Amino acid sequence: KQEVTQIPAALSVPEGENLVLNCSFTDSAIYNLQWFRQDPGKGLTSLLLIQSSQREQTSGRLNASLDKSSGRSTLYIAASQPGDSATYLCAVKGSGGSNYKLTFGKGTLLTVNP
Amino acid sequence: DTEVTQTPKHLVMGMTNKKSLKCEQHMGHRAMYWYKQKAKKPPELMFVYSYEKLSINESVPSRFSPECPNSSLLNLHLHALQPEDSALYLCASSQGLSRGPNSPLHFGNGTRLTVT
Repeated sequence: KQEVTQIPAALSVPEGENLVLNCSFTDSAIYNLQWFRQDPGKGLTSLLLIQSSQREQTSGRLNASLDKSSGRSTLYIAASQPGDSATYLCAVKGSGGSNYKLTFGKGTLLTVNP
Repeated sequence: DTEVTQTPKHLVMGMTNKKSLKCEQHMGHRAMYWYKQKAKKPPELMFVYSYEKLSINESVPSRFSPECPNSSLLNLHLHALQPEDSALYLCASSQGLSRGPNSPLHFGNGTRLTVT
C-alpha cells in the first residue's frame, strides 16, 4: 500500500526566504506526482505535475523535483511572499491497477510572515 | 477561478433530509471524482466516473449516491447522513483514466457540508 509522508508538517518563514518542502513515498511504481496548494476552506489548486519519467518541473517561482528510485520529491519556493501562505499537498498516482487513485500526504502548512 | 464549479458552497442539513451536491466542468474531461476531506486531513477518494459510468466506489456507505447525468455534470445525492459525515466534499476531473493517466486532476472549491 502506497504511503506518502510530508515533512515538515508546518513551516513559518519570513518574507523573501527561499524554502523547500519535502515529500516521500514508499512505492516507486508511480505514474506521476502532483503538488497542490490549498487555502483554508477552499479546494485544491494544482501547482505542478511531474511524470515518472521526468526529473523536475518549473512554474514561476516554483520548482518541483522527483527522484523516483529513492521515493522523494521536493517543492522549492523562491523568494517567498505572504500570499504563498497555504497548505501544500503532494500526491502520487500509482501505476498498475490503481492508475485512477491519488494518494495524498497530510500536507505542509506554510506561513510566510511579512 | 477554478474550472470545476461546485454548488452549493455551504450546506447545512438534518439527518432526515435529502440533498444533492452538484459539480460541473466544461474542459471536455471524461473522468470525474468525488473526494471527502475532514479538517486538517488529506482528501479521501469516494467515487470515480469514467465516460459517465461508475468505475470506482471506495466502499462508501449507501447514504451517499453518485450520479453522472452527462459528461459535464456530476451529482452526489445525500440521504440519512450522520453528523460525522460533516466535511468538505470536493469534486475533481481529469482527461480520462485510460487515455490520460498522466493528466492532472483539477479540483473545485468544494461544498462545506454540516450535518446536524
